Amino acid sequence: NAGVTQTPKFQVLKTGQSMTLQCAQDMNHEYMSWYRQDPGMGLRLIHYSVGAGITDQGEVPNGYNVSRSTTEDFPLRLLSAAPSQTSVYFCASSYDPGTSGSRNEQFFGPGTRLTVL
Amino acid sequence: EDKVVQSPLSLVVHEGDTVTLNCSYEVTNFRSLLWYKQEKKAPTFLFMLTSSGIEKKSGRLSSILDKKELFSILNITATQTGDSAVYLCAVEGWAGGTSYGKLTFGQGTILTVHP
Repeated sequence: NAGVTQTPKFQVLKTGQSMTLQCAQDMNHEYMSWYRQDPGMGLRLIHYSVGAGITDQGEVPNGYNVSRSTTEDFPLRLLSAAPSQTSVYFCASSYDPGTSGSRNEQFFGPGTRLTVL
Repeated sequence: EDKVVQSPLSLVVHEGDTVTLNCSYEVTNFRSLLWYKQEKKAPTFLFMLTSSGIEKKSGRLSSILDKKELFSILNITATQTGDSAVYLCAVEGWAGGTSYGKLTFGQGTILTVHP
């Protein structure tokens, strides 16, 4: 298993440009999520998905779109990049135990370091 | 709004020392608390605790949860330079609908272990 993969590893954008960060997992996990990590702020949830066709907003969703057309893929789109979106982005996945159980460990991808000039 | 606060924010020790990292939280419908270790890359899972008073152990690392006082501690005994990392605490809550499983992370504690 490759686990959770993310591409690209690094990206530099100019303000106003758009791009898509790719995330894929081969563990048949129902739950996938995107986080951003900024110095001194831990990880903050951007968007998450509990299964194909179902997405919802996290703590900091503004400026980002997601879709989940397959179980394996969960791309994150930056619509019009801003310097405030300079960050390290992590994708994560886990089994979805449903409302009756607690979440199992989340498996994180290697991250994408994004710089917006 | 769910909230997780870790302390201290940074800690410098020497090999062999014992350290205690703290995590306090406020969360709607608590489900679990998780500890992660992050070394210049993606976080890796350490522990998940769901029941108060249950201590998890893995080698030199151990963690306990107090659901009444809403905190957890992570202990590392006989520290080694390889323990140098950021330690992240996260809490899983449930706010209804499809929100189950959302993790709220603390700021992290930066641990530096000198030889």
